[in-house]
Amino acid sequence: DVVMTQSPLSLPVTLGQPASISCRSSQSLVYSDGNTYLNWFQQRPGQSPRRLIYKVSNRDSGVPDRFSGSGSGTDFTLKISRVEADDVGIYYCMQGTLGPFTFGPGTKLEIK
Amino acid sequence: QVQLVESGGGVVRPGRSLKLSCAASGLAFSNYAMHWVRQAPGEGLEWVSLISYDAINRHYADSVKGRFTISRDNSQNTLFLHMNSLRVEDTAVYYCAAQEYLGSFDYWGQGTLVTVSS
Repeated sequence: DVVMTQSPLSLPVTLGQPASISCRSSQSLVYSDGNTYLNWFQQRPGQSPRRLIYKVSNRDSGVPDRFSGSGSGTDFTLKISRVEADDVGIYYCMQGTLGPFTFGPGTKLEIK
Repeated sequence: QVQLVESGGGVVRPGRSLKLSCAASGLAFSNYAMHWVRQAPGEGLEWVSLISYDAINRHYADSVKGRFTISRDNSQNTLFLHMNSLRVEDTAVYYCAAQEYLGSFDYWGQGTLVTVSS
């Protein structure tokens, strides 16, 4: 199975400041169709996960443009340009290129 | 508006069985592959099982293979997870998730808690 790692696992951020989360996979996530199926999910306290980003850099409908995804191959990044109070939660990367789908351990974002 | 509503969770003794359901609305259910994903208390997300849109293909995590069975009823827009020989380590919130295109989950339910305890 593809192992996903994230850093940092804990991310205290001051309101209005940027935040960045790194995600790495144990194998390349480039699929045979040329796409890279790397997703980012946000899980707010007490809620189910919600997808923010799919195929590395595509924002889902309703996701603020403060959120952006980038990367290629095995290294990926989620950036929040200006953290708001509503962003508190756990962020997971997930690969959907190679079965079974696997998740990173999660990064807990909190307000400093 | 897409809704996935899980039900069937509860407290069960080790070795017993439980059946989870996920009722879908607001989407063309028969076009979606469906998954179960679980989250143990205070832990991360773990993929459990997948069923293709037509129920022909089914896959399981090694941790549940041989004990859990995924199924669906496209006429009723419902997904199921039959869980047998439950273990304490199966304790988790179980989410159903819908996949329309390759490589991602487009929608998630709110989850149902399964507690396996003696």
